[in-house]
Amino acid sequence: GENVEQHPSTLSVQEGDSAVIKCTYSDSASNYFPWYKQELGKRPQLIIDIRSNVGEKKDQRIAVTLNKTAKHFSLHITETQPEDSAVYFCAARYGGSQGNLIFGKGTKLSVKP
Amino acid sequence: DTAVSQTPKYLVTQMGNDKSIKCEQNLGHDTMYWYKQDSKKFLKIMFSYNNKELIINETVPNRFSPKSPDKAHLNLHINSLELGDSAVYFCASSQVGGEEFFGPGTRLTVL
Repeated sequence: GENVEQHPSTLSVQEGDSAVIKCTYSDSASNYFPWYKQELGKRPQLIIDIRSNVGEKKDQRIAVTLNKTAKHFSLHITETQPEDSAVYFCAARYGGSQGNLIFGKGTKLSVKP
Repeated sequence: DTAVSQTPKYLVTQMGNDKSIKCEQNLGHDTMYWYKQDSKKFLKIMFSYNNKELIINETVPNRFSPKSPDKAHLNLHINSLELGDSAVYFCASSQVGGEEFFGPGTRLTVL
């Protein structure tokens, strides 16, 4: 069935360290993989996304990698800052380009100053 | 200049009542969605809707019904509210296959 597994559920790092969050998906037809950041009491906001024809994408301190064979994708945040503290969600689009996003259960990232 | 807006932001009501949450998007998107985020922060799709098709998550009770008066609006009606309906409900919109933009959320508390 439609499923996205996300690990870890909580992650605590020191300011300046890197953080990595990993997700796996089950539908080989999935072709779109966004990552959302949700600060406390706020809406989820897209921070980066990747499509299945690309293996890696980078935007300043944030990068996402995709391994289609293994059906997993990861979010990498370098030089973490306290304002990176939030819940991060991965998602995969199931059922083709018109399908719905299925979200992972989220990772609570805490960056300690 | 809000892209996706929802009203109300907070909704407190008694069990058994019927309530509605409104959603509007000014992005010209084709598709709108409703998500439920429970106390554990899990985000689950409830409905997706464009002017052609309504897709319902089969786990959603039929007490929940989306209504779309036009392409820019997708309202959520909930009948006979139950304690377990307490959650944050997010509306979202996108072009087909594109990024989903979320509204600010409606925190529903059922007493």
